[in-house]
Amino acid sequence: RKEVEQDPGPFNVPEGATVAFNCTYSNSASQSFFWYRQDCRKEPKLLMSVYSSGNEDGRFTAQLNRASQYISLLIRDSKLSDSATYLCVVNGGGGSYIPTFGRGTSLIVHP
Amino acid sequence: SQTIHQWPATLVQPVGSPLSLECTVEGTSNPNLYWYRQAAGRGLQLLFYSVGIGQISSEVPQNLSASRPQDRQFILSSKKLLLSDSGFYLCAWSAHSGRETQYFGPGTRLLVL
Repeated sequence: RKEVEQDPGPFNVPEGATVAFNCTYSNSASQSFFWYRQDCRKEPKLLMSVYSSGNEDGRFTAQLNRASQYISLLIRDSKLSDSATYLCVVNGGGGSYIPTFGRGTSLIVHP
Repeated sequence: SQTIHQWPATLVQPVGSPLSLECTVEGTSNPNLYWYRQAAGRGLQLLFYSVGIGQISSEVPQNLSASRPQDRQFILSSKKLLLSDSGFYLCAWSAHSGRETQYFGPGTRLLVL
């Protein structure tokens, strides 16, 4: 089983739609969780951290389920500019300095 | 505020030639530093990480090497490039606690011909 798994997609949705991505992780000792966004031919950029209680930033909501070992990202009212690859990142566990990246989920928002 | 620089932005090199990619971080001290490679359409592959000057850990066997001559400088090198070394090379830094967010440089796109 891969350490961090994501559905590669692509998720093809119309503007205004709500879309959700899940990401599962295998290391139960993991301590911090993030979602990154990567545009084509660009570097990944932090979208948001994921907290145990769940957190929201505008149209974006992130949730963490430690019991089932997954995190989710919900995007409401999708915009064309949301088209990108979304990377799930899991960090920590045993003092590790090494974050583990998922391979990303591709989102295409069309008019 | 912290910034991370990488250069060059793009590079075309012949097989067998040497390589040197540089990454520098400003606005922070004693960061953890990382080199990743992303092949076309693939995920991020961690190549090296460093928790301090002169301390380099390698994640995968390869013909690349890394060095950290100064606290905020991280260099990726090769003596002889292979075709398979083509890819998007990303440098990243995080705070020294190890559980913090990583911040990426703009990357170097390398094409080996």
